[in-house]
Amino acid sequence: AQTVTQSQPEMSVQEAETVTLSCTYDTSENNYYLFWYKQPPSRQMILVIRQEAYKQQNATENRFSVNFQKAAKSFSLKISDSQLGDTAMYFCAFMKHGAGGTSYGKLTFGQGTILTVHP
Amino acid sequence: GAVVSQHPSWVICKSGTSVKIECRSLDFQATTMFWYRQFPKQSLMLMATSNEGSKATYEQGVEKDKFLINHASLTLSTLTVTSAHPEDSSFYICSASSYSFTGTDTQYFGPGTRLTVL
Repeated sequence: AQTVTQSQPEMSVQEAETVTLSCTYDTSENNYYLFWYKQPPSRQMILVIRQEAYKQQNATENRFSVNFQKAAKSFSLKISDSQLGDTAMYFCAFMKHGAGGTSYGKLTFGQGTILTVHP
Repeated sequence: GAVVSQHPSWVICKSGTSVKIECRSLDFQATTMFWYRQFPKQSLMLMATSNEGSKATYEQGVEKDKFLINHASLTLSTLTVTSAHPEDSSFYICSASSYSFTGTDTQYFGPGTRLTVL
């Protein structure tokens, strides 16, 4: 079974600064996906970024980038030029790759990190 | 693309009654839908996975007779909370995925339904 750990329950950052959210995971799988989802106060889950484990290049989406260290099983999220709208709970998630099996397509979530961006 | 809706967004019901929550994929056909439960400031807990035309697969500890899931079409899944009690009060979220449409197994989430049982 997979586990995902987010060791920072809460974090805060000043507007326009950079913040990094940590995530580690444990798995015996070699092919998998990793995700960061954002849940703002509206509680709508929004996909922030997605990483395929077979890709060495770190995924980026505008101000959001990841540092994927497969050997260390680490998947941190860096938010640059933080904005007030980035205030949300952030979840790191793991998905096994490949068809079939009872775990196909399932997400394993971390505990979440509440990020507050201050003006 | 990949928009998922839920209805209702908020429902209040009396103890002992049943409540149905709908989850729709608006612009794609979802081969798989998932139902989650979330308590305030906590992570999402997967309740069940449903595939169109098949019986749902429930996670360990989830009462299948209490939480009835129907995935009658490729765009609609429903969760019915039967004989609801105050302890069923929670935020329920659905998600949908379709590799053939999106090219990935990425799950796209609905906006959630807040259930309050009096």
